[in-house]
Amino acid sequence: GQNIDQPTEMTATEGAIVQINCTYQTSGFNGLFWYQQHAGEAPTFLSYNVLDGLEEKGRFSSFLSRSKGYSYLLLKELQMKDSASYLCAVRDASGGSYIPTFGRGTSLIVHP
Amino acid sequence: DAGVTQSPTHLIKTRGQHVTLRCSPISGHKSVSWYQQVLGQGPQFIFQYYEKEERGRGNFPDRFSARQFPNYSSELNVNALLLGDSALYLCASSAGLSQETQYFGPGTRLLVL
Repeated sequence: GQNIDQPTEMTATEGAIVQINCTYQTSGFNGLFWYQQHAGEAPTFLSYNVLDGLEEKGRFSSFLSRSKGYSYLLLKELQMKDSASYLCAVRDASGGSYIPTFGRGTSLIVHP
Repeated sequence: DAGVTQSPTHLIKTRGQHVTLRCSPISGHKSVSWYQQVLGQGPQFIFQYYEKEERGRGNFPDRFSARQFPNYSSELNVNALLLGDSALYLCASSAGLSQETQYFGPGTRLLVL
């Protein structure tokens, strides 16, 4: 099985930078995803990491270290609309299936 | 282009009833996955279908079943509903099996009374 751990809640100030961490344990690692989910809405794809290193996409960046079972999502120049739940998901490819397991999500609250 | 669509958007059922949820993937996408999301939790994987065949099944009882049609749309069926089945049911589509990018539909919110 898989074990994914991320903080339950974080708060930050508009304009600031916030880092949301995710640690995982899996036997057949085949990629890590970050999704954003606003209350009452479906998750939307933010990033995908399969190799170690940093992937940058506008204000959002995602980092992966496979040896440490660790990833983070970095959000810069925070805006009020960034208040949402951020989901870390790890895909396991053992057994020929490509099934992502989601963490419980980190609720980010951005204050003015 | 239309995104992933799901129907109905909301549904109220009573214990013991059955329910059918529907999903249409993005045009050209051949893989559909179903997830259950209860409040305060991340989505939990139920099924994956690719080219009309089941390619993955999560840890759900046999009351849950699904299928994919030749046009790649999909249905999720739940029999003998329990109160604990109340959740948001999400459908996600991707172009291929390995799902580098998975696009979620708006979900069906099911309430079991």
